Amino acid sequence: IAGITQAPTSQILAAGRRMTLRCTQDMRHNAMYWYRQDLGLGLRLIHYSNTAGTTGKGEVPDGYSVSRANTDDFPLTLASAVPSQTSVYFCASSDSGLAGTYNEQFFGPGTRLTVL
Amino acid sequence: GENVEQHPSTLSVQEGDSAVIKCTYSDSASNYFPWYKQELGKRPQLIIDIRSNVGEKKDQRIAVTLNKTAKHFSLHITETQPEDSAVYFCAATRTARQLTFGSGTQLTVLP
Repeated sequence: IAGITQAPTSQILAAGRRMTLRCTQDMRHNAMYWYRQDLGLGLRLIHYSNTAGTTGKGEVPDGYSVSRANTDDFPLTLASAVPSQTSVYFCASSDSGLAGTYNEQFFGPGTRLTVL
Repeated sequence: GENVEQHPSTLSVQEGDSAVIKCTYSDSASNYFPWYKQELGKRPQLIIDIRSNVGEKKDQRIAVTLNKTAKHFSLHITETQPEDSAVYFCAATRTARQLTFGSGTQLTVLP
């Protein structure tokens, strides 16, 4: 693995079904993020994790949950999918570095999810 | 929370001309402002960023300016080329991690 990967690449899902989007990075970055991208709305933060074992809510967390059991993996779960969750989902990671420093967020290739 | 507005939503320029994209932000405590480029069907990638203690930063044909008093920052691309065609996103944060993005600008460079 090189960088950050996501699976699946795309998925069509029936409303009400449970779905987990996977994200794995091999850069040993402390921080990881989940964004959704909708036309005309840019990228909106769903959940984030500053370090393994901790998570936090972003701008649009409702209907989503995350876990961070280790440094490399940051899965996003939709417990009961709804059509408004149709979107492209991007996972990202960054090296948290020292307090007050700013480090580039590296994005995964994205997952295109359609909820019918 | 932070709110970032980005203009224009679409921009067409002739090859060789300059392009300017502008963003405003609401949180006066924001102090990091990155710009991302996203080509069609690809992931966003950082192209340039600026910290609040700097008014301008350049990297070859791209530059970013920041006006903290007015709470706006801009991306400037000179001598545009067809490969500059993409969607550009600005972002702002004061937490070093949780970025708030603008809605994006579709830049088209016409040959």
